[in-house]
Amino acid sequence: GAVVSQHPSRVICKSGTSVKIECRSLDFQATTMFWYRQFPKQSLMLMATSNEGSKATYEQGVEKDKFLINHASLTLSTLTVTSAHPEDSSFYICSARGGRGNQPQHFGDGTRLSIL
Amino acid sequence: SQKIEQNSEALNIQEGKTATLTCNYTNYSPAYLQWYRQDPGRGPVFLLLIRENEKEKRKERLKVTFDTTLKQSLFHITASQPADSATYLCALSGTYKYIFGTGTRLKVLA
Repeated sequence: GAVVSQHPSRVICKSGTSVKIECRSLDFQATTMFWYRQFPKQSLMLMATSNEGSKATYEQGVEKDKFLINHASLTLSTLTVTSAHPEDSSFYICSARGGRGNQPQHFGDGTRLSIL
Repeated sequence: SQKIEQNSEALNIQEGKTATLTCNYTNYSPAYLQWYRQDPGRGPVFLLLIRENEKEKRKERLKVTFDTTLKQSLFHITASQPADSATYLCALSGTYKYIFGTGTRLKVLA
């Protein structure tokens, strides 16, 4: 149980392109979804938290116009990297949590984004 | 500011021995502490959660302790196997947000 599917797993595209990443909870309803960015040999850096039907809460230093998050249903959240540039290249990981309180997060397998 | 330190970046251990990983934190009073496993190029996988009023939690070969006085958690893998080789992350949570440590890369040598 508690499976989170993230697509695509890898994206290579040209600078200036917008890229959409999907995160789906397959067998549970995700009241909260999180988006992280991870640099090599570093920990997960929280970018934003989204609750179904609400606007996402972005962490300090994360541009909300650059990283658009939509959490339209209890099983789907999307992250769109708009007008991507090489410095946006990274490993992006989503996670989902069902219920309330400090339940464990269940992670997708990440998206490796490479901007040329 | 809140800070989490996992004691070593890398840990090598012989198969069959007990691996012990440390997570220390400062400027935070978490209600929960969690441990995750992450394999290269994959997302983290949840292993164990321990609450602030619990001292110890076990699951199969895994054991976690939580000392809120020392602000420290220990994560033990007994009878370690090469398949246990991975990066292990600790995460603290209070309200809704989680703060992750940088992880310890464990390598179990056959």
